[in-house]
Amino acid sequence: NAGVTQTPKFRVLKTGQSMTLLCAQDMNHEYMYWYRQDPGMGLRLIHYSVGEGTTAKGEVPDGYNVSRLKKQNFLLGLESAAPSQTSVYFCASSYDMTGPGQYFGPGTRLTVT
Amino acid sequence: GQQLNQSPQSMFIQEGEDVSMNCTSSSIFNTWLWYKQDPGEGPVLLIALYKAGELTSNGRLTAQFGITRKDSFLNISASIPSDVGIYFCAGQRLSQGAQKLVFGQGTRLTINP
Repeated sequence: NAGVTQTPKFRVLKTGQSMTLLCAQDMNHEYMYWYRQDPGMGLRLIHYSVGEGTTAKGEVPDGYNVSRLKKQNFLLGLESAAPSQTSVYFCASSYDMTGPGQYFGPGTRLTVT
Repeated sequence: GQQLNQSPQSMFIQEGEDVSMNCTSSSIFNTWLWYKQDPGEGPVLLIALYKAGELTSNGRLTAQFGITRKDSFLNISASIPSDVGIYFCAGQRLSQGAQKLVFGQGTRLTINP
């Protein structure tokens, strides 16, 4: 089991460029999440999905879009990157609503110049 | 958005010392979780607490779920070099059909050998 994997691990974008971050999990989890981590801020929820074909907004959704076309994959898109989106992005998954927390991927470090 | 108040923000200790950190919130959570994050990695779940007043151990780690359901603490006994990292508390609640986590800002632990 690879658990939760994320690609790419690092990326540098210029302001206005777009990109997609890929998250994949092989644990057959229903729920998937995207977080961003900024210094001194902990992790904040961007978007989440409660199942294939569903998405919902989290705490800080502006500037991001997501898609969950397959149960094992959760994509995070930035249509027009801004310097404020420089951050470390983590994907997580969980089996159900009552399970013990979420399993996190290794993160993607994104820099927008 | 809501963040938990986690303290201290950083700790510098000698190897072998005990460590204590805590988390408080203005609102109630159903579950409290403690994660550890190593450099360049995603958070890894250490302990999950499900009931108010619950005291749970995992090796040298002990955590408690506060009676009011608004706080939790984590103790590490006899610290060793591999304990170095950032520790995050997280409160979990069910919201809008999903398991939502709210994170503290983290406690960075540094150990002098």
